[in-house]
This record gives sequence, structure tokens and C-alpha cells, in this order.
Amino acid sequence: LAKTTQPISMDSYEGQEVNITCSHNNIATNDYITWYQQFPSQGPRFIIQGYKTKVTNEVASLFIPADRKSSTLSLPRVSLSDTAVYYCLVGDTGRRALTFGSGTRLQVQP
Amino acid sequence: GAVVSQHPSWVICKSGTSVKIECRSLDFQATTMFWYRQFPKQSLMLMATSNEGSKATYEQGVEKDKFLINHASLTLSTLTVTSAHPEDSSFYICSARELRGTGRMNTEAFFGQGTRLTVV
Repeated sequence: LAKTTQPISMDSYEGQEVNITCSHNNIATNDYITWYQQFPSQGPRFIIQGYKTKVTNEVASLFIPADRKSSTLSLPRVSLSDTAVYYCLVGDTGRRALTFGSGTRLQVQP
Repeated sequence: GAVVSQHPSWVICKSGTSVKIECRSLDFQATTMFWYRQFPKQSLMLMATSNEGSKATYEQGVEKDKFLINHASLTLSTLTVTSAHPEDSSFYICSARELRGTGRMNTEAFFGQGTRLTVV
């Protein structure tokens, strides 16, 4: 399984754009890149998923370069409620479980 | 979207007793469910893979006789922590991926809300 590396923590202020980069140097051809958000004492929640180039939904954008060895989650205009841990996961559509790395703890301040 | 429901959300039990946690996929079938454990300030660690109609597959270091998993139907998996001890206190989370008609999993995994177990 492809291993992921993310910054342990990040700080931001309300209204700013936050970019969290994840490296996954040994990503496989069949692997998708998925980001999850987790609040304290809750299960992870799906944010966005992509395979290559750029994906955008109502809450975030995901940028994936051509070599797919890294990806960047972009959160536009964060608010206090975006304070959470963000996990970058790499996996395919097979039956295997998703493997969680350390995640990035984002703290948004007023 | 698909929903995975876990019950109970929290439980406190005495040392030596057993606790059962249920995980249900509410609007899709899940032949495979996954159980994770998460300690404070740490990431989710996979404990076992629950397979409908067959034995669970446990990760290295997870005692199968202590963490009993039963996947009796396509929508229900249970995790029983037997003879619980304070060191078993943790946040337990289940996950499921929707099985498509092609036999492949949906790329998105759905997680339950988690169960906070406290053993006193």
C-alpha cells in the first residue's frame, strides 16, 4: 500500500485559504487519492477524491500533478468549524481497507 | 449519500465484562466492513476486516479471541470486546465500502460515528 506523508499540523486564520500537501511517492496505477476530515470523537468524513489533475466540489479542491506523487487539498476561506484533522489516503477500488497516516491537524483561529 | 451507523456512541463498562458494538450499513450492502481503533491524539489503526459469512481477518497484534467479530448479514457487523480491561479503552470506528454490481468496491469509504469505550 502506498504510504502517505503530511505535515503534522498547520495553523490558519478565518477567511484564509489553506493548502495541505500530501506526498505519496509509490502510488500505484489503480490508486485513487482521497481526503477525509475528522472532528474529535467522530468518524472520518469524506471530503474529496481524485485520480489526476484537478477536482473541485462544494467544499474543497484537490490538485494532483501529472506524476501523481503528491496531492494538495485546498480549503477556500476557512472558518473556525474547519478545525479538524485531515487525512490523505491512497487506495484502489479493491476490497482492502483504507490505511490512515498521521493526518494533519488544522487549527483555525479567529 | 450512503450511511453507516454505529451503536452505541459511548459505553462505560467494568473490567472483565464484555461489550458489543454494532455497525450497520443503512442503505447499501456491505460484504466487507472494517474495524478501526483510535487512541487519543493518534490516527486510526486497522484492527480487522469483517467478511460477511466468513471469518474476519485480523491485523498483526490484534487478538482475535479478545475482539470477536461477527458479520452475519450484508448490513450488520458486530465487534465484541471480551473481558475488557482499562487498556482497551479507546475510540472504535467501523467502515464500509459499497459493493458495486461489478464486484468492485466504491472508491469512497463510509465511516460510522464511532464508539467511545471506557473500561473502569
